[in-house]
Parts: sequence; C-alpha cells; structure tokens
Amino acid sequence: DAGVTQSPTHLIKTRGQQVTLRCSPISGHKSVSWYQQVLGQGPQFIFQYYEKEERGRGNFPDRFSARQFPNYSSELNVNALLLGDSALYLCASSTHSGRAIDTQYFGPGTRLTVL
Amino acid sequence: AQKITQTQPGMFVQEKEAVTLDCTYDTSDPSYGLFWYKQPSSGEMIFLIYQGSYDQQNATEGRYSLNFQKARKSANLVISASQLGDSAMYFCAMREGVKAAGNKLTFGGGTRVLVKP
Repeated sequence: DAGVTQSPTHLIKTRGQQVTLRCSPISGHKSVSWYQQVLGQGPQFIFQYYEKEERGRGNFPDRFSARQFPNYSSELNVNALLLGDSALYLCASSTHSGRAIDTQYFGPGTRLTVL
Repeated sequence: AQKITQTQPGMFVQEKEAVTLDCTYDTSDPSYGLFWYKQPSSGEMIFLIYQGSYDQQNATEGRYSLNFQKARKSANLVISASQLGDSAMYFCAMREGVKAAGNKLTFGGGTRVLVKP
C-alpha cells in the first residue's frame, strides 16, 4: 500500500513569492495535518483538515493557508515568503476515527528554501 | 513551559547494546497519547510506538519499548539490541485530549542517536 506522498520534494523560492505544497494521504485516511520543521528543531503543527474542514490551527500567520479536496488530498499555501519560512514541510495522515489510537503517518516532506 | 522535553541532544551507542532515550511531558489533560517517531537523514518521520494515558501496561513493538511512568510524567523509549540502521533523530510527541477535536501533535526537540559498529 502506498504511504503518504508529497510533492514537490524540493523547492527553491525567493522572498515575497508564493508556494503551494501538495499531499496525498494513505488510502482510507480522511485527516491530513501539516507541520513545519525548521532545521535542528522538532516539527511544529500548522493545520489539520478532516472531511474538508479545518479542525485545528497552530500559531502561524495568515500567510499560511490550506485546503482539503474531496479525495482527501491537501494543499498548503504560503504567501509572501520570508527567509524564515525555509524548512521541511511535513504532511501526515490519519483515520481520525476518534478512537484512542489515531496514529499520524508522515510523508517524506517538501524541503523549501527561500532565498 | 515546554510540553515535551528531550534532554539528550545526542547519544552514542554500541551496536547490539540497548539505549534509553528520555522524554518528559507536561499536561493537565487526563487524556493524552504519547508517540515516538524516528527521523532518518532522509527526513521522513517513521512511527515507532504509542502509549495512551490510560494504558495500564507499557507499550512494546519489537525492539522498541516504552517505559511509561505517569506520576513522573515521563515516557522513555528503550531500543534493545541496537543496529546500525537505528542511527537517526528520535522525537517524542504528545497529543492532548484524545477525544477532542483536532489532531495536533506537540514534539520535543529530538535526540540524535549514532550507533557505532
């Protein structure tokens, strides 16, 4: 079975530009979460989407937005890029079944470099 | 206050020996879940093991076991019989309010493990 997939793998942008990152969850998973991992730190939660609705939002500016499609894939958009947005962006999917064990499975990430 | 603290930035371990990675957490929520993930240099976060706050027994998954001490708010990962492929960053993470809306994981700063042959 295919795991979580993300595209592109790497991306180089300049300050002020906009970027769109894409994620396809594991088949059968309806929840997608996005995390930002700056070099040398643990991941930070950005968004969670479940059934196309935003279910959680981390402490990120409005330049960050996301959406989920009917097939449960998701896009993360970042506008007006800053140097500090350079990071590994991780997507995770889960069943979000409401059971106690609802493990999130991560994709390989998109490494964004802002110059 | 840090919700997840991993005090060991890096560790060396001899191949075939066991290693314990420390994790302490802070929450007032009675219902929470604790996770350990492995992140090789490739970047992907690989799920290793889970412990629920109401679980009576420590979780085990193959060579991974979790030493859960609820009163001390610690959830240390034990890797037995270390292998060269275990060299990676290891992250402890917590999800609070398991039955609440939202699926946010809060991560610690990680511990880098290097297995020596």
